[in-house]
Amino acid sequence: NAGVTQTPKFQVLKTGQSMTLQCAQDMNHEYMSWYRQDPGMGLRLIHYSVGAGITDQGEVPNGYNVSRSTTEDFPLRLLSAAPSQTSVYFCASKGTSGGYGYEQYFGPGTRLTVT
Amino acid sequence: AQSVTQLDSQVPVFEEAPVELRCNYSSSVSVYLFWYVQYPNQGLQLLLKYLSGSTLVESINGFEAEFNKSQTSFHLRKPSVHISDTAEYFCAVSVNTGTASKLTFGTGTRLQVTL
Repeated sequence: NAGVTQTPKFQVLKTGQSMTLQCAQDMNHEYMSWYRQDPGMGLRLIHYSVGAGITDQGEVPNGYNVSRSTTEDFPLRLLSAAPSQTSVYFCASKGTSGGYGYEQYFGPGTRLTVT
Repeated sequence: AQSVTQLDSQVPVFEEAPVELRCNYSSSVSVYLFWYVQYPNQGLQLLLKYLSGSTLVESINGFEAEFNKSQTSFHLRKPSVHISDTAEYFCAVSVNTGTASKLTFGTGTRLQVTL
């Protein structure tokens, strides 16, 4: 199993540009989520999904869109990039959507810089 | 809403010395508790977790954490650290929201082990 994969690893955008961060998992996990990591702030939840066709907002959803058309993929779209979105983005997945004791598996991250 | 506090942003320690990384949480409902480790330029990996039962949980690489409900703490300890333990450590709490669980992270503690 490849686990959770993310592309690209690095990205530089100009203010106002849009892009999609890709996330895929091959563990047949129902639950997938996106976090951003900023220095001194830990990880903050952006959006999550409990299954194909079902998404919901997390703690910091503004400026981001998600969709879940398949179990495997959960892309994160930046609609109009802003410098405040400079961060490291992590995708994670978990085996059971309602089981809050299950471990989340994290991807290697995407480092995004917005100039 | 739940929250996690990691009081120490950085902990420098000499190799073979003991270490304790502190974590306190607040929640009005039952929680599950996790410690994740992030090595440089990598994603997060689960170190250990408390779900129920014995309040002392251990990892395969010598770390342990004790759940203390009265003090709402889940401190991470290791009796003798190694250079390879240098990493950032995140405490996280999971609560059952009814539709899906969410992980709330602390701000992280950077453990720096030197000779």
